[in-house]
Amino acid sequence: EVQLVESGGGLVQPGGSLRLSCAASGFTFGNYWMTWLRQAPGKGLEGVASIKRDGSEKYYVDSVKGRFTISRDNAKNSVYLQMNNLRAEDTAVYYCAKWRGLQSEFDLWGQGTLVTVSS
Amino acid sequence: DIQMTQSPSSLSASVGDRVTITCRTSQSASIYLNWYQQKPGKAPNLLIYAASSLQSGVPSRFSGSGSGTDFTLTISGLQPEDFATYYCQQSYSAPLTFGGGTKVEIK
Repeated sequence: EVQLVESGGGLVQPGGSLRLSCAASGFTFGNYWMTWLRQAPGKGLEGVASIKRDGSEKYYVDSVKGRFTISRDNAKNSVYLQMNNLRAEDTAVYYCAKWRGLQSEFDLWGQGTLVTVSS
Repeated sequence: DIQMTQSPSSLSASVGDRVTITCRTSQSASIYLNWYQQKPGKAPNLLIYAASSLQSGVPSRFSGSGSGTDFTLTISGLQPEDFATYYCQQSYSAPLTFGGGTKVEIK
């Protein structure tokens, strides 16, 4: 089955860290860019971080630069998001999604994992 | 950054209605505009890519049009399962940006 499955979300205090994982199956993982997106409660969608097929290029939204790190392991068909120094405004459902890079579309999304930053 | 303006933010419609949602970009996105449907508690689902191409498995009552800065999503003959929130997204240039969403509710 073609799918993406996120894990690693939870409740964390401000300033804390979490590592999200996204496991892919049913397609050739190494052929695709991967992106983490998020959706704050009751709000719209935001791209957080993207990584090229071989991991050689990474992009981040300004609000997470220096705090979040995206990585991937093509041997394990997985992409990760290391989130440090978390803030209340990082509270959201985090989705991973696959795409072919700029000028393409997110054609497969995971079910999402909730990250709550609160004391 | 390309800013996205999606309208309306919400609308009420009846089953069988024709519904049109518009998305305007602050600068040209060429044809690289995608549309997604999201139901409560679920991940977004791709409907239309490259402005007018129907994603595999999506009913033909969904259609998209436009290029440059003005784009439209049309649902011809609204069905009960279409009540959801719809988002546009440009993939022409980084950073990728989304419209604010249009919630389609039952009249």
